[in-house]
Amino acid sequence: AQKVTQAQTEISVVEKEDVTLDCVYETRDTTYYLFWYKQPPSGELVFLIRRNSFDEQNEISGRYSWNFQKSTSSFNFTITASQVVDSAVYFCALSEDKGGSEKLVFGKGMKLTVNP
Amino acid sequence: NAGVTQTPKFRILKIGQSMTLQCTQDMNHNYMYWYRQDPGMGLKLIYYSVGAGITDKGEVPNGYNVSRSTTEDFPLRLELAAPSQTSVYFCASSYSGGFSYNEQFFGPGTRLTVL
Repeated sequence: AQKVTQAQTEISVVEKEDVTLDCVYETRDTTYYLFWYKQPPSGELVFLIRRNSFDEQNEISGRYSWNFQKSTSSFNFTITASQVVDSAVYFCALSEDKGGSEKLVFGKGMKLTVNP
Repeated sequence: NAGVTQTPKFRILKIGQSMTLQCTQDMNHNYMYWYRQDPGMGLKLIYYSVGAGITDKGEVPNGYNVSRSTTEDFPLRLELAAPSQTSVYFCASSYSGGFSYNEQFFGPGTRLTVL
């Protein structure tokens, strides 16, 4: 069965600090997809990034970077030079490629508070 | 494009009442989903649909029903509301075109309280 674990429940940092959000997943499939979503205080979910299981290339996009390691089943997300607007709940999610279902399994989320 | 819209935004129900949560998307997505989010928890899939006329159960389907008569609409029906159904409900949609997997787009949510 699929499972996503976000061990951190809440982190508080001061603006301009770097922060890394951890995500560990479990799956028996060889083909799967990993996602990060952001949920700001307004409540909507915003897609941040997607990675498939064959793409371990890490990426930097502006202040965001991702570290995908299949060997440790981890998909960590880093915000560099955090800003108050980054305050939100961040969810890691997993989907197996079942050829038609593509259902997401979410972690419990990690609340990030960035203080000025 | 309005994206994914949900109505109502808030609702209070009494135990045993029924209601329908509406969800509409204008992106011509074939896949649609209903999730619930309980306080301090991640989202859990209730039902999903891969196209008009096709629906299937997710992780927590009990107490709910869905239908998908058109590509655009995917209403969620609560029969005999119970306090355990107090939650925030999110509708989402995505386009699935074979081997690629696209992100899901979420609606703003419906906050439901059952008293």
